[in-house]
Amino acid sequence: QSTLTQPASVSGSPGQSITISCTGTSSDIGSYDYVSWYQQHPGKAPKVMIYGVSNRPSGLSTRFSGSKSGNTASLTISGLQAEDEADYYCSSYTSSSTVVFGGGTRLTVL
Amino acid sequence: EVQLVESGGVVVQPGGSLRLSCAASGFTFDDYTIHWVRQAPGKGLEWVSLISWDGAGRYYADSVKGRFTISRDNSENSLYLQINSLRTEDTALYYCAKEIRANRYDYGMDVWGQGTTVTVSS
Repeated sequence: QSTLTQPASVSGSPGQSITISCTGTSSDIGSYDYVSWYQQHPGKAPKVMIYGVSNRPSGLSTRFSGSKSGNTASLTISGLQAEDEADYYCSSYTSSSTVVFGGGTRLTVL
Repeated sequence: EVQLVESGGVVVQPGGSLRLSCAASGFTFDDYTIHWVRQAPGKGLEWVSLISWDGAGRYYADSVKGRFTISRDNSENSLYLQINSLRTEDTALYYCAKEIRANRYDYGMDVWGQGTTVTVSS
């Protein structure tokens, strides 16, 4: 099971928007709407930001949004804030009845 | 408060065995699929296994299949991971995490424990 492909790092200034991509295959992202995104601050457990490609958990900021096109999913954060600086991971269900994570993206708020 | 608390992490020699536990509280445990996810030091997240709300569905990553066994005791609100034939590459922080919605598979996890550390070293 290979990991999903994410950029190692992205950066943006406060107030800007950034997008993190997550590329899989037709055996995972391309075939199922079971893509989730997680935020992880250093030393903390992950926190779900998006599930089912574009669904936000109750109470989560609307600055976070998700989408998918073909084998690639994307997480967009608008109105970037200092507290958004963290590692972000995507995940997807696969045709092997397993879950695969991306390698993670470090977001730096300049 | 919805909570998951892992325990059982230890230092163990290669080839050894151990059992991790995850105690749940604050929600109807037997309505939810639960996952194990691990994170090696300084590395990313790796999905390990899941078990459905009724225990009927159990799935494993290829890297642990045949060595790890997931189980649950709904009467005790507890999840377990039996780990055998440990390898150095199993060294990681092991999290249990709850599915977002009851009685279905979303493959998204909304509540995570704090993790328990397994170190495999001679």
